[in-house]
Parts: sequence; C-alpha cells; structure tokens
Amino acid sequence: DQQVKQNSPSLSVQEGRISILNCDYTNSMFDYFLWYKKYPAEGPTFLISISSIKDKNEDGRFTVFLNKSAKHLSLHIVPSQPGDSAVYFCAAIDQGGKLIFGQGTELSVKP
Amino acid sequence: ETGVTQSPTHLIKTRGQQVTLRCSSQSGHNTVSWYQQALGQGPQFIFQYYREEENGRGNFPPRFSGLQFPNYSSELNVNALELDDSALYLCASSARGNGNYGYTFGSGTRLTVV
Repeated sequence: DQQVKQNSPSLSVQEGRISILNCDYTNSMFDYFLWYKKYPAEGPTFLISISSIKDKNEDGRFTVFLNKSAKHLSLHIVPSQPGDSAVYFCAAIDQGGKLIFGQGTELSVKP
Repeated sequence: ETGVTQSPTHLIKTRGQQVTLRCSSQSGHNTVSWYQQALGQGPQFIFQYYREEENGRGNFPPRFSGLQFPNYSSELNVNALELDDSALYLCASSARGNGNYGYTFGSGTRLTVV
C-alpha cells in the first residue's frame, strides 16, 4: 500500500530551464509534506516543506505547491543547475510522526 | 554541531547471520528512526526510538530489533539475515516535542547479504 507515490522514476532537464517533480498521496490525514534530495553515497538532505494550511512555499530557486483536493504536490526548481542532479524524494508525516516516502525521481540537469 | 554518523559504511554478511548497525544522533536530538532503502525504492520506516523505548514500528518482522542508549545513540539488529535484507539502512535523528519535523539523516550503511 503505497501512500506516497512518485510516478516518474526519472526526469531530464536542460540547464536553466524549470524542473517539475510530482508527487501524489492517498491519505487525506497527512498534513505536512517534505522534499528531500539525495546524492549517491549520502543520506537524504532536507530541501523544503509545506504544511497543509498552505498551498505554496518558496525558498530561493525551490517552490513546493500543494493541491489538497487532488492530493498532489509538486516541486519546482527554477532555474535548474547541473548541481541539482540527484534523486528527489517526496515524503509525508503521518499521525505517528514518521516519514512516509515516495519511490523517488532521479533528476538529471544537462549543461 | 555534529550530524548523524552511521557505522559501518558497508558490510557483507552471509544468509542466516546476524548484524548490528550503529547510529550516533545529532547533538540536541532525542529521537532516532531507522529506515530501509531497497534499490530503486524510497526509504521504508522500520522503527523509531524515543527515551530508549520503541515508539512506532513499520511492517518489519521481529528479527529486526533495536536499542537506544542514554546518549540517544542507537543500534539496529537484524537476525537470521535473508537475501532480501540487502539494502541501504538509514538512520535519522530528530528533536521530538518541539513541533519541528527536522529529521537529519546519516549517510547510511550499505548491507549486502550473500
């Protein structure tokens, strides 16, 4: 039972363009969402988060949008840079306070 | 401020053996969670420890067990290893109780069962 889903295993984008990573969830009780970035041989690092009382949160080049009615969130990276190439995980906090991760999307930003 | 450190970074075990993985939490953090990340998948929650007691468990069999020590460091023990236990094991620490969902992850232990 995959409660958080990232249906695109990979995404390739040209440097300077926008990267859009998508995430869907099934549990309407989730009220806090996070995006993590992971390089090979490293642990996930926190990128940006959003509470369900908001529909948008912005931090520099990174913006997360939340559509509660559709149970969908997306991460926008503008402009994309080669250093952004990594695996991105969407995660939700459940009622017990643990992280529920999606499968990840591997982003490749080409110069 | 030190981050989360995990040891060892890699190890290879034989099916049926037992393994212990270790995690030192970030300074100021009192909660440790363990995750298993299989190849091509997202991390899956194993269990969480708070005040030296298990505080939540995912869908993992009892041969996965853990400990948390007074200094908030933690161990993950896996008995009777199976080939499917081959994965990256991640430890994350957090400061429970302050409303902060700031989980800090270690770099993980890559376990290979042969």
